[in-house]
Amino acid sequence: DQQVKQNSPSLSVQEGRISILNCDYTNSMFDYFLWYKKYPAEGPTFLISISSIKDKNEDGRFTVFLNKSAKHLSLHIVPSQPGDSAVYFCAASDSGTYKYIFGTGTRLKVLA
Amino acid sequence: GAGVSQSPSNKVTEKGKDVELRCDPISGHTALYWYRQSLGQGLEFLIYFQGNSAPDKSGLPSDRFSAERTGGSVSTLTIQRTQQEDSAVYLCASSTRQGRDSGANVLTFGAGSRLTVL
Repeated sequence: DQQVKQNSPSLSVQEGRISILNCDYTNSMFDYFLWYKKYPAEGPTFLISISSIKDKNEDGRFTVFLNKSAKHLSLHIVPSQPGDSAVYFCAASDSGTYKYIFGTGTRLKVLA
Repeated sequence: GAGVSQSPSNKVTEKGKDVELRCDPISGHTALYWYRQSLGQGLEFLIYFQGNSAPDKSGLPSDRFSAERTGGSVSTLTIQRTQQEDSAVYLCASSTRQGRDSGANVLTFGAGSRLTVL
């Protein structure tokens, strides 16, 4: 039972364009969401978070959108840079437990 | 230390042997998580410690897996009688559990321990 899904295993985007990474969840109790970036042979690094009281959070080139009714969130990267090439994971938890469930990841490749 | 420290970074073992993986979380972080990433897979939740509460062990794949956290700090993940399917990168993360919108409920990961079972 995959509670957090990232249905696109990979994505290629031209440098300077927008990258959109999607994440769907099934558990309506989830109310806190994180995005992580992972380079090979390194641990995941935190990018941006959003709680369910908001529908958008922005940090520099990164914006996360949350659609609670659709149980869907997305990460937008604008403009995309070659250094953004990595695997991106979304994670979800409920604020009662803070037990984070991660998606399967999307490999982003930004082409120069 | 400044970050989450994991050891060993690489471990090669023979099938049937026991292994121990260590995690040293960020000082003061009350929550500690173990995940694993098998080849080509996502991050699979294993176990979660929060303060003095009983750990959430719901992700441990079998009774060969166990973990403990001593003194609310260092954690050890033990895999007994290792099997080839246990080969993966084992990731530890810690966080400070605070209010929902404090921004502090962010997991900081270590670099992982890569386990190869021959």
